[in-house]
Amino acid sequence: AQSVTQLGSHVSVSEGALVLLRCNYSSSVPPYLFWYVQYPNQGLQLLLKYTSAATLVKGINGFEAEFKKSETSFHLTKPSAHMSDAAEYFCAVSPTKSSYDKVIFGPGTSLSVIP
Amino acid sequence: DADVTQTPRNRITKTGKRIMLECSQTKGHDRMYWYRQDPGLGLRLIYYSFDVKDINKGEISDGYSVSRQAQAKFSLSLESAIPNQTALYFCATRGTSSTDTQYFGPGTRLTVL
Repeated sequence: AQSVTQLGSHVSVSEGALVLLRCNYSSSVPPYLFWYVQYPNQGLQLLLKYTSAATLVKGINGFEAEFKKSETSFHLTKPSAHMSDAAEYFCAVSPTKSSYDKVIFGPGTSLSVIP
Repeated sequence: DADVTQTPRNRITKTGKRIMLECSQTKGHDRMYWYRQDPGLGLRLIYYSFDVKDINKGEISDGYSVSRQAQAKFSLSLESAIPNQTALYFCATRGTSSTDTQYFGPGTRLTVL
């Protein structure tokens, strides 16, 4: 079965420090991959997505992620954390391009930013 | 105005009661989805609809039913609510291209006592 794992249910970083949120997936074929952000009391908002174009994907708010097929990873990074980045982050995978409607979400990582 | 709206935003109900959660969208999208979110489990797909005549079960459809009243409206019903259906419920929409983005509503927090 397809799955998505996010290492660390909670990550804390200092303001200005590097943000690294880890995501690994299992998929037998190259998938579509996504990162979503959820701010308190809000729905999910797409940060970025990989759809088999460039392996380094740039998203909104200074985030980027790199698709590494050999490692089945899609880690999310941001060079310098800002207080406004505090939120829940979800990695998600569409198992195949034809099953886009059955996107599988990871359990989420809660990011705290310390002043 | 928000592209995807959900009503109610919060609801407390009792075991055995029937409850309906409503979703409306102004994106003009054909595809609509219902998810539930539980702590540590991420989002899980309950039902999805390609259009008003095409409704499909998701990963966890047992205990739920849906109605697609129009392109813009997609309702989720719990016929007889039980406490383990306490969760945060999200509606989402997207276009028909495989690379289209999903747009999520703000969520409905449901508590079943």
